[in-house]
Parts: sequence; structure tokens; C-alpha cells
Amino acid sequence: DAGVIQSPRHEVTEMGQEVTLRCKPISGHDYLFWYRQTMMRGLELLIYFNNNVPIDDSGMPEDRFSAKMPNASFSTLKIQPSEPRDSAVYFCASGTSGGSRTQYFGPGTRLLVL
Amino acid sequence: EDQVTQSPEALRLQEGESSSLNCSYTVSGLRGLFWYRQDPGKGPEFLFTLYSAGEEKEKERLKATLTKKESFLHITAPKPEDSATYLCAVQASSNNNDMRFGAGTRLTVKP
Repeated sequence: DAGVIQSPRHEVTEMGQEVTLRCKPISGHDYLFWYRQTMMRGLELLIYFNNNVPIDDSGMPEDRFSAKMPNASFSTLKIQPSEPRDSAVYFCASGTSGGSRTQYFGPGTRLLVL
Repeated sequence: EDQVTQSPEALRLQEGESSSLNCSYTVSGLRGLFWYRQDPGKGPEFLFTLYSAGEEKEKERLKATLTKKESFLHITAPKPEDSATYLCAVQASSNNNDMRFGAGTRLTVKP
């Protein structure tokens, strides 16, 4: 299995621009998570989906952030408009509802907003 | 509110010098406690899941243990390639599937 795939791996943009991060979960996994990691706050859960349906978006910082999962193999996290304080590493993870409920992480997208 | 506290923040060891990392947690009903390893520039890599007090799991030089209040990650005779940040996370039985992570322990093993 290829594991969780994220793109782009690096993104540099200017304040006010729209940013779209993409994720392909592991095939067969029915949960998908979006996290943000910073030095100050560590790893924070933003939102997660079960069977393509958003379950908990209480971690989404502001209305500027939105996430979608149109099908079982693709999800996006969008920031519009972006701000310098959004600079962080964004991780996507996937997992299953059965068994150990382990989450498997992608390599992350390093976002820098100038 | 669920809380996870890891200590120490950073640990420097000589190759072969065994030690332990601590993860203290407060959760309303533990479903599972997870240990991950994170290398610079990479995503967290799953190591272990522990479900109940008294449980232990091993992988190479690593052994994870669990009590009702904390978990330890014991590193025996570490090597430089064990250098990484080790993250602990808890999953509450009341939640669907989300996890709360600790801040991590940054381990450096010198040759």
C-alpha cells in the first residue's frame, strides 16, 4: 500500500491567497483526519470525517478554513484567505472504525504564508 | 477535558545508555494509548497501541508500558538511529475516533 498521500509537500504563498491542500487516504480506511502541527501548539486536530461525512470540525480555527471529502479516496483542506499565522505543517491521517483504531499519517504539507 | 503531558521535553543519551520517556494522561475512559515516532520533516509513524493497565508491547529496543495514569516508553541500549521525537496520544472511549496528542519528547542519541 502506498500509505496516505498528500500534495503539495511544500507550499509558499502570499497573504490573502487561497490555499488548497490535498489528501488521498489509505484504501479501505473509513476515517480521515486533518491535523496542524506548530512548534507552539504541537499537533492539533482540525476536523475528521467518517465515511466521507464530517463528524467533528470543532478544531477548525476560523471560517477561513474549510474541508471536504467528496469521495472515499480524496479530501481537501482549503484556507481562504490565508494569513501568516496559518504557516504550519498540515497532516492528513486515515484509519478504520474497527480493530485498534490506529491513525496512519501522511508526510505532511509544509505551508508558509508570507 | 482530556490531557496528555509528556516528559522530559528533550532527552540526550549516549549510545547504549538506556532510559525512559513518560506520558501522563487524564481521560474520561481510555479506549487506547498510542505511541508514535516522528522524524524531522516526516509524518508521525505508528509504534504501539496499549489498551489496559498492565499491558506491555515491545519492538526492537523499545518497550511501552501502561498504568491507569501514565505510560512509559523504555529505550534499551539506544542507537543514533533512534533519535526522533516520540509522541504519545490518547483516545477516549467517548469519542468516535479522534486522539489528543502530547507535545512530544525529542530524543537525541549520540554515538
